[in-house]
Amino acid sequence: DAGITQSPRHKVTETGTPVTLRCHQTENHRYMYWYRQDPGHGLRLIHYSYGVKDTDKGEVSDGYSVSRSKTEDFLLTLESATSSQTSVYFCAISESRDSPLHFGNGTRLTVT
Amino acid sequence: DAKTTQPPSMDCAEGRAANLPCNHSTISGNEYVYWYRQIHSQGPQYIIHGLKNNETNEMASLIITEDRKSSTLILPHATLRDTAVYYCIVRVRGTASKLTFGTGTRLQVTL
Repeated sequence: DAGITQSPRHKVTETGTPVTLRCHQTENHRYMYWYRQDPGHGLRLIHYSYGVKDTDKGEVSDGYSVSRSKTEDFLLTLESATSSQTSVYFCAISESRDSPLHFGNGTRLTVT
Repeated sequence: DAKTTQPPSMDCAEGRAANLPCNHSTISGNEYVYWYRQIHSQGPQYIIHGLKNNETNEMASLIITEDRKSSTLILPHATLRDTAVYYCIVRVRGTASKLTFGTGTRLQVTL
C-alpha cells in the first residue's frame, strides 16, 4: 500500500487520556495527511503537512494536533480523547500538491 | 470546490463492464476529476484522474464529457474483487489539502 504504515492498527482508550497515532512512509513524499472516517460523514481532513515542521489545519482539526519532525513520520495526537473521536483514522501521502493521494489501511480508535 | 453527485448504489455482473457515472456540473477549469474506491475496512485506493481528456490505465478508463460537467468511470471487466464504494472527487489543481470525499457509489459485482 504505497509504503505507508499506520500504528497501532487498533486502539481502545479511555476518555481524557492522550493518544498518539503514527504514520510512517517509505516513499519520501513531501505531503502527508490525516483523515478520519465516520458513518454518514465520509472522510474528513484533520490536518496535513507539506514538509518537515510545516503543517496546516483541515476541516475537523479541533481536539487534534500533529507533528512532523522527519519526512517519513507524521504523528496525530489527541491531547485528551473524547468519545466523539471514536473513528477510523487514515493517513495519506502524496508526492506533490497535484499528485494523487495514497492511503494507509487505517487505525481504528475507540474511546470509551 | 465543485460538488459531485453519484448514484448511491449499482450492480454489475462479473465479467461485464461497470460504468459508474458522476455529475459535477459546477466544475471549473482548474479542477481535476479523481476517482477512488474503498473496499470494506481498507484505506481508499486511487484509481485514476483527469482534467479534460479521457484517461486509461491498468485499472480503469475515465471518460469526461466535452463540457466537463459529468464523467464516467469504466471498469472493463468487473470481478468480485471490484465490489467497493467508488468516490468521484473534484479537486482544485495545486491545492494539496482539497480532496473532499462524498458518499460515493456502492458497486456490487455479482456472479
